Amino acid sequence: EVQLVESGGGLVQPGGSLRLSCAASGFTFSSHWMSWVRQAPGKGLEWVASIKQDGSEKQYVDSVKGRFTISRDNAKSSLYLQMNSLRAEDTAVYYCARDSGSSGWDNWGQGTLVTVSS
Amino acid sequence: QSVLTQPPSASGTPGQRVTISCSGSSSNIGSNSVYWYQQLPGTAPKLLIYRNNQRPSGVPDRFSGSKSGTSASLAISGLRSEDEADYYCAAWDDSLSGHVFGTGTKVTVL
Repeated sequence: EVQLVESGGGLVQPGGSLRLSCAASGFTFSSHWMSWVRQAPGKGLEWVASIKQDGSEKQYVDSVKGRFTISRDNAKSSLYLQMNSLRAEDTAVYYCARDSGSSGWDNWGQGTLVTVSS
Repeated sequence: QSVLTQPPSASGTPGQRVTISCSGSSSNIGSNSVYWYQQLPGTAPKLLIYRNNQRPSGVPDRFSGSKSGTSASLAISGLRSEDEADYYCAAWDDSLSGHVFGTGTKVTVL
């Protein structure tokens, strides 16, 4: 069974940093692109970033470019999101999702809440 | 700001058919596949339709997707109470070089 478990969320002050992790199991992690998708409280879904199987290609939504860094450790079957210079508008539940290419984001974690507030 | 436009709400009685539209442009829906996700209250999104009209295993055939030009639609036939959820379309956008979601549609079963 595919499992994705996010961790690392919490309360952080504006301008601060946070690192999210996503532990994957039940599939060959190194064979899949992986993504982060977020959802602000009461709002819709927003794609944040994606990373290729070997980490050689990364994609970001414009609003996080230069502040967030997506990475992965295939030996540990783990996905990460380093978030710097956090802003109030980054407050959201962050989901880790397995990208199966043309078959879509077919598995999602339960999400981890990031709150940016003073 | 979402690039794909959906109606904010849709509703129907049990057994009825409900259709949700998703309007985009030539850089997203017009040139790439459309995906649909269902988000039940308080839970993570779930893939409902991929590649415009394909259903993952386990998704009932009451759910169907279609695409024409720069628009797509999700139809739910034989509406059931457990279909009450938020529904989002998504696609790759060539101009933005990124994935984009629709604004989301809340489906209510009356």
